[in-house]
Amino acid sequence: AQKVTQTQTSISVMEKTTVTMDCVYETQDSSYFLFWYKQTASGEIVFLIRQDSYKKENATVGHYSLNFQKPKSSIGLIITATQIEDSAVYFCAMREGNYAQGLTFGLGTRVSVFP
Amino acid sequence: NSKVIQTPRYLVKGQGQKAKMRCIPEKGHPVVFWYQQNKNNEFKFLINFQNQEVLQQIDMTEKRFSAECPSNSPCSLEIQSSEAGDSALYLCASSLSPWGLYEQYFGPGTRLTVL
Repeated sequence: AQKVTQTQTSISVMEKTTVTMDCVYETQDSSYFLFWYKQTASGEIVFLIRQDSYKKENATVGHYSLNFQKPKSSIGLIITATQIEDSAVYFCAMREGNYAQGLTFGLGTRVSVFP
Repeated sequence: NSKVIQTPRYLVKGQGQKAKMRCIPEKGHPVVFWYQQNKNNEFKFLINFQNQEVLQQIDMTEKRFSAECPSNSPCSLEIQSSEAGDSALYLCASSLSPWGLYEQYFGPGTRLTVL
């Protein structure tokens, strides 16, 4: 069975600094896909970035990047040059390569960015 | 802003009442997923469709929940007899494909409160 664990409940950072949050996952599948989403205070869930299990290079989109450590079943999210509007709850999610599966989410990490 | 439209944003029902919520997927996305997010940030996949066909659904959905995605009409999720434990944020997401590597894009959700 799939499982996604985010151990950090909340993180506070100063604006313009870098924040890193952890995620570990469990799967029996050799092919899987890892996603990060953020949920804003209004409840809106926004897709941020994706990592495919068969790719060795870490994904990067804008000021989001991933630290994919496959042997450790770990996919960390790094946000550089944080802004106040990055304050949100960040969710790590996984889908195995199977057809039509839903996402399995972690419980989220709340990030607060202070000026 | 979400391109997935969900209505209503808020829904209040008494126990035993029907609760119906609707979703219009992003244009060009044939695949729709429904999730339940509870107050503890636990996400539960409920059901998904490709066009009008159910791809996968969990046992809970088979009992009190019903869902459909009729042609040329919004998709809908209906709880036949609401229970207090159904109080949650119901999220609709759409995708280009049911395969795992495709991102899901979420609507703003319908927050259901069962009194």
